[in-house]
Amino acid sequence: TQLLEQSPQFLSIQEGENLTVYCNSSSVFSSLQWYRQEPGEGPVLLVTVVTGGEVKKLKRLTFQFGDARKDSSLHITAAQPGDTGLYLCAGGRSGGSNYKLTFGKGTLLTVNP
Amino acid sequence: GAVVSQHPSWVICKSGTSVKIECRSLDFQATTMFWYRQFPKQSLMLMATSNEGSKATYEQGVEKDKFLINHASLTLSTLTVTSAHPEDSSFYICSARDLRAVVWGTEAFFGQGTRLTVV
Repeated sequence: TQLLEQSPQFLSIQEGENLTVYCNSSSVFSSLQWYRQEPGEGPVLLVTVVTGGEVKKLKRLTFQFGDARKDSSLHITAAQPGDTGLYLCAGGRSGGSNYKLTFGKGTLLTVNP
Repeated sequence: GAVVSQHPSWVICKSGTSVKIECRSLDFQATTMFWYRQFPKQSLMLMATSNEGSKATYEQGVEKDKFLINHASLTLSTLTVTSAHPEDSSFYICSARDLRAVVWGTEAFFGQGTRLTVV
């Protein structure tokens, strides 16, 4: 069962354009992480959001956690070729030793110069 | 952020042999480590959760006898692919959570991955 729906799955844009990636679920998460992964490497953590309605900014990247903690979005302003990569959202659930991250399917972003 | 080191980065082995992949948390202790498998241009698929000092918990459809996991210390977990076959070729990634994480469900840190090719 895919608990996190991430969209779009593929996105190809020109340098300078803006874009938004969505991560939606019917389940509540205690936190949500966004990762960026380049080919042949492990995912690198971009941000963690834990509070409903929370907004975090990382340079040109803006992350938002839904009020109900079921969805999140990543907005990139003025995309650059260096932003190219696989973006993954992952929801974390509390539960002591049963903690587990659930990943979305990922968004493969290509920013063309 | 915290550092998780995975070794080797890539390995080529003959069909029928076994391969061991190591995952180390370098600057923190991790009671729990996770092993994932990833196919090209796809997301991460959780294979198993490794708990220090106890047996790993495997996801449905993952063969326990084929993917042996050992978590002998708070900083090291290993994944051994036994009797590897070409269909086991994939990108394997580990991740670890900091023991000191105050809020359950907070971030995990990933190793750089291991590209396994079975010929």
